[in-house]
Amino acid sequence: SQQGEEDPQALSIQEGENATMNCSYKTSINNLQWYRQNSGRGLVHLILIRSNEREKHSGRLRVTLDTSKKSSSLLITASRAADTASYFCATDQLGETSGSRLTFGEGTQLTVNP
Amino acid sequence: GAGVSQTPSNKVTEKGKYVELRCDPISGHTALYWYRQSLGQGPEFLIYFQGTGAADDSGLPNDRFFAVRPEGSVSTLKIQRTERGDSAVYLCASSYVGQWGEAFFGQGTRLTVV
Repeated sequence: SQQGEEDPQALSIQEGENATMNCSYKTSINNLQWYRQNSGRGLVHLILIRSNEREKHSGRLRVTLDTSKKSSSLLITASRAADTASYFCATDQLGETSGSRLTFGEGTQLTVNP
Repeated sequence: GAGVSQTPSNKVTEKGKYVELRCDPISGHTALYWYRQSLGQGPEFLIYFQGTGAADDSGLPNDRFFAVRPEGSVSTLKIQRTERGDSAVYLCASSYVGQWGEAFFGQGTRLTVV
C-alpha cells in the first residue's frame, strides 16, 4: 500500500509560472525525498529533507516539511517545458534501519505548456 | 558502469511462462532494491538486499516472485507462472549502506504478460 498521497494528481501550467505539489504521509519518518520521473521509466532524485528540517532549497526547487501535519510541499519556480514529468514523494519510516525501503506516493503529473 | 543498468528494457511473455529480470547496481553500492510500478501509480516496494542477503522481502506479492543477489552485486528478479496482472514496469535501485540518502534508479524493465 502507498504511504503517501500527492495533491493534485495532475497540474497544468504555463511556462514561467510556479508549480506547487503537496504530499501527505501516514507514519513518522526519518526523511522525505522527492523524485521526478519522465515517461514512466527511471526515477531521478531531486531533493531530500530530514525530519528535523523545515525547509530546503536546491536551484529552482523549494521543499517544505511539516511533521506535525505529516505533509510536504515541492515548489518549482519559473517552470520550463522541460519540467514536464511526474513527481513523487517518498518516505522512509522512523525506526527502520538506515537504507531500508522507501514508500512512494502516487505522484503528481505536471505539464508545463510553452 | 555509471548508473544502475536493467536488462532487458522490455519483455513480452506469455501467461504461465517464467521470466528473469536483471539489475546491475552502481559499483560499491551494497544496498539494492526492487520496485514495481503499474500505470498511473507510484513505485511499490518488493524487496531490499543488504549485500547478498534479503533484508526485507515483505513486499513480494506471493511465492511466484523470488529475487537473488548471490555475489552482492548483480541481482535477478524471478517470476514464475506469470499472470497478466504481473504486467508492470519493474524498477531497480541501489544506494550506499548506512546513508540516509538518495537511491539511484535504473530505467526499468517493462514486463508485458499476454
